[in-house]
Amino acid sequence: DAGVIQSPRHEVTEMGQEVTLRCKPISGHDYLFWYRQTMMRGLELLIYFNNNVPIDDSGMPEDRFSAKMPNASFSTLKIQPSEPRDSAVYFCASSPGTSGGRSYNEQFFGPGTRLTVL
Amino acid sequence: KQEVTQIPAALSVPEGENLVLNCSFTDSAIYNLQWFRQDPGKGLTSLLLIQSSQREQTSGRLNASLDKSSGRSTLYIAASQPGDSATYLCAASEDSNYQLIWGAGTKLIIKP
Repeated sequence: DAGVIQSPRHEVTEMGQEVTLRCKPISGHDYLFWYRQTMMRGLELLIYFNNNVPIDDSGMPEDRFSAKMPNASFSTLKIQPSEPRDSAVYFCASSPGTSGGRSYNEQFFGPGTRLTVL
Repeated sequence: KQEVTQIPAALSVPEGENLVLNCSFTDSAIYNLQWFRQDPGKGLTSLLLIQSSQREQTSGRLNASLDKSSGRSTLYIAASQPGDSATYLCAASEDSNYQLIWGAGTKLIIKP
């Protein structure tokens, strides 16, 4: 299995530009998570999906952030317009979910996208 | 509200020593607890997951324990090696949802 795939790995953009981060979860996993990591705030959960449906987006900082999961194998996190304070590493993770009545919530992380907004 | 704490924030030990990393949580009603490793500039790698009904899990030189009554988990690393240098994070999962409550991590340096 290729694991969780994220693209791009690095993104440098100017303030005000739209940024789109992409994630392909592990095949068969029912849960997908978007995190942001900074030195100041550590690891923060932004939003998570179950079977492509957003369950909790309370961690999304503001309306400039949006996330979609159009199918089981693809998700995007969009920032429009981007600001310098959005600079961080953004991680996507996936988890198997429930199988045979048991819950498997071990999370597997992608390599992250390092975003720099100038 | 669940809070997860990891102390110390950084630890430096000579190669070959056995060491223990600490993780504390405030609410004993956890579903499970996970330990992760993060190398500089990289993603997080899951090391061990302990279900609430378990007391410990082992993988190679790593052993993680869970004591819900005291609100503590420990990660024991035997015969430490320079390659073990990384930041170690613990995260607690609460009942009925899949959100993880994260500790801030312990940065471990193993000196050759």
